[in-house]
Parts: sequence; C-alpha cells; structure tokens
Amino acid sequence: DVKVTQSSRYLVKRTGEKVFLECVQDMDHENMFWYRQDPGLGLRLIYFSYDVKMKEKGDIPEGYSVSREKKERFSLILESASTNQTSMYLCASSFSGELFFGEGSRLTVL
Amino acid sequence: SQQGEEDPQALSIQEGENATMNCSYKTSINNLQWYRQNSGRGLVHLILIRSNEREKHSGRLRVTLDTSKKSSSLLITASRAADTASYFCATGALGGSQGNLIFGKGTKLSVKP
Repeated sequence: DVKVTQSSRYLVKRTGEKVFLECVQDMDHENMFWYRQDPGLGLRLIYFSYDVKMKEKGDIPEGYSVSREKKERFSLILESASTNQTSMYLCASSFSGELFFGEGSRLTVL
Repeated sequence: SQQGEEDPQALSIQEGENATMNCSYKTSINNLQWYRQNSGRGLVHLILIRSNEREKHSGRLRVTLDTSKKSSSLLITASRAADTASYFCATGALGGSQGNLIFGKGTKLSVKP
C-alpha cells in the first residue's frame, strides 16, 4: 500500500512564525502535490513537483514556498505565517494520475 | 480554479437506500476521478473513469461519464452508515500533467442507520 505521511496532524503557530509542513511518500512516486482545503472553497492546489528540485506553482502559491531535495519528501514552507493561512493542508503523491493523500495537517495561526 | 461542481451539496438518506451524486465540469478532460473524505481525514481515491469510457463499476460504486454533457454521476448502492463522508469529483484536464487535478467542493453524504 502506498503511504503518504504528513509530519504533524495539528499545529498551532503565531503570526509571523516560519512554518514547515513535511510530507514523505514511500512508493517512489515522481509527482507530489500540496493542497489546502477550506470550508466552502474545496481543495485548492498550492504547489506541485514532478521531480527532485523541480516545482511548479498551483492556483494559490502566494505566501508559500516548497522544497523537494529528495524524491520521497516534499515540504511546504510558510515564510511568515498569517491568520488567513489557517487551514487544512493536504499532501498527495501520484504516479499514473490517481492521487494518494496523507491524513492532512490542520494548521491554526493565531 | 474550480472546475468540478458536485450536486447536491448535501444528501441525507437511510441505510439500504441508494445515493446518487452528480458532477459537472467545464473543459475537456482526460479523466474524471471520485474521492471520498471522512471528517478531518485525507482523501481516498475511489474510482477513475477515462474520457473514452461511459461507465465503470467497483463493488457498490457505479460511475457514469457523459462527455457531451460534461457531467458524471457516482451511485452508491445499498448504502451503509459507514459510507457517511464527503465525496469529491476531480478532473484531469486534456493535455494536462499527470495527477494535476481540479477538485469540486464536494457532496456531504449522511447515511442514517
């Protein structure tokens, strides 16, 4: 079974803090994705990556950056967290079009 | 940008009944997928139907795709309380990159025992 592991299920951070959300997959998938999910807005793509050290902006990249130093790990970085980044963050990996999701990281920014 | 739009937004049925959810989309697609999400958890892939397919089955799930109407439906037969979850359709755009999907806002299904 494919496993996508997100490092933290729940985080509480303060405005202005730097936040790292880590995601690791164990199936050697080339494609990895970060989404955020908000009530009434559904899932929105933040960034994705098709290879190591490669990244592409999704629909809402502002305020975020990503890092993919190794194939299995895709990190989402909030350089200076703001309250409007309070959300559920979902990481996913893919090989042939079907997405495998992690359990999500619920971030609250105070 | 959101492409898939599910209908209804919420659906409440009794155990044993069938549940039908619909999805409409706007642009040409390579495939359409359905996902399920239990409250507070990640999404789980249910089924993928390609643009040249019209119907697909998986256990109690039946998915149809009508590319001329740009719509799809997910039917869950003989529903169970454990089917209570949100269901999302997601489209892979024609010519788009593998796995780069656009999700709808979901249908919240409640199955009462």
